[in-house]
Amino acid sequence: DAGVIQSPRHEVTEMGQEVTLRCKPISGHDYLFWYRQTMMRGLELLIYFNNNVPIDDSGMPEDRFSAKMPNASFSTLKIQPSEPRDSAVYFCASSQGTTDTQYFGPGTRLTVL
Amino acid sequence: DQQVKQNSPSLSVQEGRISILNCDYTNSMFDYFLWYKKYPAEGPTFLISISSIKDKNEDGRFTVFLNKSAKHLSLHIVPSQPGDSAVYFCAATTGNQFYFGTGTSLTVIP
Repeated sequence: DAGVIQSPRHEVTEMGQEVTLRCKPISGHDYLFWYRQTMMRGLELLIYFNNNVPIDDSGMPEDRFSAKMPNASFSTLKIQPSEPRDSAVYFCASSQGTTDTQYFGPGTRLTVL
Repeated sequence: DQQVKQNSPSLSVQEGRISILNCDYTNSMFDYFLWYKKYPAEGPTFLISISSIKDKNEDGRFTVFLNKSAKHLSLHIVPSQPGDSAVYFCAATTGNQFYFGTGTSLTVIP
């Protein structure tokens, strides 16, 4: 298996633009997680899905953020409109269970100018 | 509110010596703890874990200790190797909630 795949690896956009981050989890994993990494707060869980259903989105910072998982092999994290404070590295991870190892993708480095 | 805290942002250790990375948590409902290692430009990778019913788990050079009364977790690396230089994240879960610390950057000096 290729592991968790994220695209794009780098995204530079201007404030106010819509940004869409993509993730393909490991096949057979029932859980998918979206994290944001910042220097101040480390890795923050934004939202996670179980069998394509959002379970906990309490970490989503505000309504500008939304996430979907239309099927078991694809998820998106959308920011609309984007702001400079959204600049961070966004990771997607998947696992077989809640206490099982989470396998992380390489991350998307987002820069909002 | 940081429920998992890593108070040391960085640590430097000589090759061959012991590295001790610390983590404190506030939620007594956490029942599973993990350590992840992260190299630059890569995603975190799982290193070692421990259930709350145990106080120690060992895997080769890596040992994790859990002190539930103190709500404290530590990772020991013996002996430390230059390839261990990375950022280490402590994580905790209740099974429904997941929290990571801010990370500790370990540098092993040859």
